[in-house]
Amino acid sequence: DGGITQSPKYLFRKEGQNVTLSCEQNLNHDAMYWYRQDPGQGLRLIYYSQIVNDFQKGDIAEGYSVSREKKESFPLTVTSAQKNPTAFYLCASRPPGQGWNGYTFGSGTRLTVV
Amino acid sequence: DQQVKQNSPSLSVQEGRISILNCDYTNSMFDYFLWYKKYPAEGPTFLISISSIKDKNEDGRFTVFLNKSAKHLSLHIVPSQPGDSAVYFCAASARIQGAQKLVFGQGTRLTINP
Repeated sequence: DGGITQSPKYLFRKEGQNVTLSCEQNLNHDAMYWYRQDPGQGLRLIYYSQIVNDFQKGDIAEGYSVSREKKESFPLTVTSAQKNPTAFYLCASRPPGQGWNGYTFGSGTRLTVV
Repeated sequence: DQQVKQNSPSLSVQEGRISILNCDYTNSMFDYFLWYKKYPAEGPTFLISISSIKDKNEDGRFTVFLNKSAKHLSLHIVPSQPGDSAVYFCAASARIQGAQKLVFGQGTRLTINP
């Protein structure tokens, strides 16, 4: 079955450490996205990539970095520069030319800084 | 600047009655609107959508209404069932800074009481 896999589901990080969240899709989607969800704030866009080897900053990119070396993979690194990294992180992908109805989310990674 | 707002953080409805979730937006460039349903520790799943050229779209128990002059959309669920208990996000699409983007509201937690 095609889908988006995010791993791990739960992640704990010590302050000052970088951590990388994995997002893999086998849907053959070109565009991939990263969001964070905080209570009362909905989903906010961190980074997105419309094609391989290209990505753009979203609304809250500071303290994050991404890469898109393969179509299937869009890992997100939460750096020590991110002031408040504890959140629920969601990855999504979208097929070309099909609008938003084909937009598919992963099951998320909950990151906690301890 | 919250372009998509869901002003009710929570809503409680009795099983069998109608649930009405509301969403307001400010950007007149939004041309497509979607509702997503989200269970805890899972990614959002697509529920129903509507184009800005329509004022109503129906799918089974779910109906979305769009009032463009008021920049308001609503999701009606009738009859409400216990499995409908979840967080509901409205989202709006527009071309922003050269890319098609989806902007989410803060979410409304719906609880269906038996």
